[in-house]
Order: sequence, then C-alpha cells, then structure tokens
Amino acid sequence: QQQVKQSPQSLIVQKGGIPIINCAYENTAFDYFPWYQQFPGKGPALLIAIRPDVSEKKEGRFTISFNKSAKQFSLHIMDSQPGDSATYFCAASRNYGGATNKLIFGTGTLLAVQP
Amino acid sequence: DSGVTQTPKHLITATGQRVTLRCSPRSGDLSVYWYQQSLDQGLQFLIQYYNGEERAKGNILERFSAQQFPDLHSELNLSSLELGDSALYFCASSVGGGPLHFGNGTRLTVT
Repeated sequence: QQQVKQSPQSLIVQKGGIPIINCAYENTAFDYFPWYQQFPGKGPALLIAIRPDVSEKKEGRFTISFNKSAKQFSLHIMDSQPGDSATYFCAASRNYGGATNKLIFGTGTLLAVQP
Repeated sequence: DSGVTQTPKHLITATGQRVTLRCSPRSGDLSVYWYQQSLDQGLQFLIQYYNGEERAKGNILERFSAQQFPDLHSELNLSSLELGDSALYFCASSVGGGPLHFGNGTRLTVT
C-alpha cells in the first residue's frame, strides 16, 4: 500500500518559472515531511522539511506548503534554474525525533528546467 | 558531500551469488538505514540499526541481512541473488530519529 502519492511524474518548465510538485499522504500519524533532491549518480539530498504545526516553510528559493486537513503538501521552486534539473522526492515519517525516522517516499518527479 | 560513505560504487555479480555492501555513517550518527531504489518500486526502506541494534524493519527479503558493528559502520548482505535484485542500494545515517543523510549508493547488477 503506497502511503505517499506524488505528482506529476515529470515536469518541464522554462528558466525562471515556478515548478510545483504535489504529495498526498494517508496516515494521519505522519509528523515529518521532507523533500529530497537527487541528481543522476548521487544519493538523495535533503532539501527542506516541515512539521505539521506550520503551514509554510521557506528556505532560499524552495518553499513547502502544507495542508493538514487535506493531507497534502507541495514543493515550490522559485526562479527555477537549469541547475535545479533533478528528481525530487517527497517523503513522510511518524514519531520524528524518536527511536526511528523511517521515511516513506513518494515515487519521484523528474524536473527539467529549460534555459 | 553528505559524509556518508558507501562501498563499492558498482558491483556486478551472477545469479545465486552473495555480496556485501558497506556503509560508514556520518561522524556522530548512531542510526544507519538501508534503502533499495529500483525503477518499478522507487525508494523502499529495508532496515534500520541504532548503535548496533536492529531498530526498524521494512520489506526486507529473508535472503537479505544487515548488521551494525561497534565502530558504527554497517553491512548489508545479499545472498542467493536474483535478477530482480538489481538496483541501487542506499545507506543513510542520522542522529537517532533526526533527518536522514544519504550516501551515493551502490549500484548492484545481477547477470
């Protein structure tokens, strides 16, 4: 059973555009929602994360919007650049900070930013 | 650079064989997680160790096993390999239940 659904599967935007990637989760016990960026040949790198007590978090050009009632969260990339071209994964876990931070990942979004 | 080191980077072996993947966590991290990444299954959690003890288990096959040593490095052992085991295997580490930091993975090809 897939617990984190991610869309779209792929996305093409022009330089300077604002790609938006969406994720929906089912388990209301999830309390930690990170986004990872993965380049070919590399491991996923933590980009930004949010807890359910806030509705938005910004770090540089990256913003997470969180809607607890809808059980959805999304990643926005402001002023996107060709260097942002990568695969983006959302994830979720429960009992963050406890004994384990077992992440359940979405299926990934391949983003291409055209110059 | 995440600080998590995985070796080898690539591994090619035949069906039925056994391989060992190694992971050195970031300095100070006590937790090690193993994930499998394949095209059809995405990133799947296999198992977590914390300071030498198994802490959480995912969809890890019985043919697979792992351990964490006193120096905190971890090894993932894959035996009786099948073609379907070909995938990227990632190790991640964290301070307890905090953010996960991934290594660059081991690409396993079973022929």
